[in-house]
Order: sequence, then C-alpha cells, then structure tokens
Amino acid sequence: DIQLTQSPSFLSASVGDRVTITCRASQDINIYLAWYQQKPGKAPKLLIYAASTLQSGVPSRFSGSESATEFTLTISSLQPEDFATYYCQQLNSYPYTFGQGTKLEIK
Amino acid sequence: QVQLVESGGGVVQPGGSLRLSCAASGFTFNNYAMHWVRQAPGKGLEWVAFIRSDGSNKGYADSVRGRFTISRDNSKRKLFLQMDSLRPEDTAVYYCAKDRSASLQGGDYWGQGSLVMVSS
Repeated sequence: DIQLTQSPSFLSASVGDRVTITCRASQDINIYLAWYQQKPGKAPKLLIYAASTLQSGVPSRFSGSESATEFTLTISSLQPEDFATYYCQQLNSYPYTFGQGTKLEIK
Repeated sequence: QVQLVESGGGVVQPGGSLRLSCAASGFTFNNYAMHWVRQAPGKGLEWVAFIRSDGSNKGYADSVRGRFTISRDNSKRKLFLQMDSLRPEDTAVYYCAKDRSASLQGGDYWGQGSLVMVSS
C-alpha cells in the first residue's frame, strides 16, 4: 500500500502568513493527488486535484505543486476562514489513502 | 444543485450488519465514480471503498475488505455500503463522495455523513 506522510502535523500561523504543507508518498503516484480542507463537524472540501489544479470556486491563494513523490499545498496569505485541518489523498492505486492530516491553528 | 444524502446509520452490536445508502441528485449519477470515506471520532479521514460509474470496478481499504461491499443502482441514483461483521473499530461517521470525474481526481461533493456506532 502507498503511504502518505504529511508534515507538519500541527501548524500555528497568523492571518496574512504564507504557509506550506507537505505530503510525501512512499512510491510514485504520478499526479493522482488531491488536497482537502475540513472544518470541525463538516464534510471535507476539495481544494486541489491532479496535484496542482485548483478546484472551481476555491480562492486563488491556495496552490499545489509536485516534485517526484513530494507534494505541496501552499496558502499564500492566510485568511481567518483558512484555519482548519488539511488532508492529502492519493488516487493512483488501491487503497486510496489519506495523509494523517495537518491542523492549522491561529497563533 | 448537487446533493448527496446518506442514511442507514445507527447503533449495532459487534458482529452485526448495517446497510448505508446515499441518495444522489443534481448531477448525472451514472457518469461519475463514487467513494465511501469514514472518520472515527477525533481521528483523521480514512478511505473505505470506491466504485466506478458503471459498477465495473470496485476497491476497498484493507481494514474492510471481505466485510464491506460497495454497490450502486444507477437507475435509482443510489450508492450503497453493505457492512457485515462489524467491529468496534468501525465506529465512525461515514461519508459518501462523488468523484469529480470519470477518472480519479478526488471527491468534489460530499454528503453530510451518517454515524455508525458499533457497541455492545
């Protein structure tokens, strides 16, 4: 099975900061990677698909990139509504595993 | 607009069975792959199962393979998850999610979730 390792697990930042979350795959997953945002008590929301394509309706401050088996989610200027937990998911091969999550908190 | 509504959750004893349903509306259901994803209390997301648009291909997490069965009825616009031999560690909120395409790109619409609690 493909393992996804997210870092950091916790991140404390301020409004206006630029933050980066990394997701490393244990083997090649091409670009079959998605990023989600989840707020407490709510279903996840798709932010990025195919590693770097912004889902419709998602603010342009969110971006994704990839380099071999390392994937990155960047928020260019944090807004108050961005404080949430973020997950990556690989859809290259079964099982379609999620990373363990990154909780982004207000500093 | 796209809507996914799960039902069928509840409390069940270990070893018991439940069948979750997900009713879809607002999109051409038979054009899209579908997923089940769960989240145990206070834990992260865990992918459970997947089915292609025509039901021809299915996949399962190692933790549920052989106990859970995903299926769909395109004529009724419904997705199902039959859960047998339930264990306490299956306790979670179960979400159905529509994949954003016919090929795998991730879940762009999700239901509100259905709580399954396995307890004696």
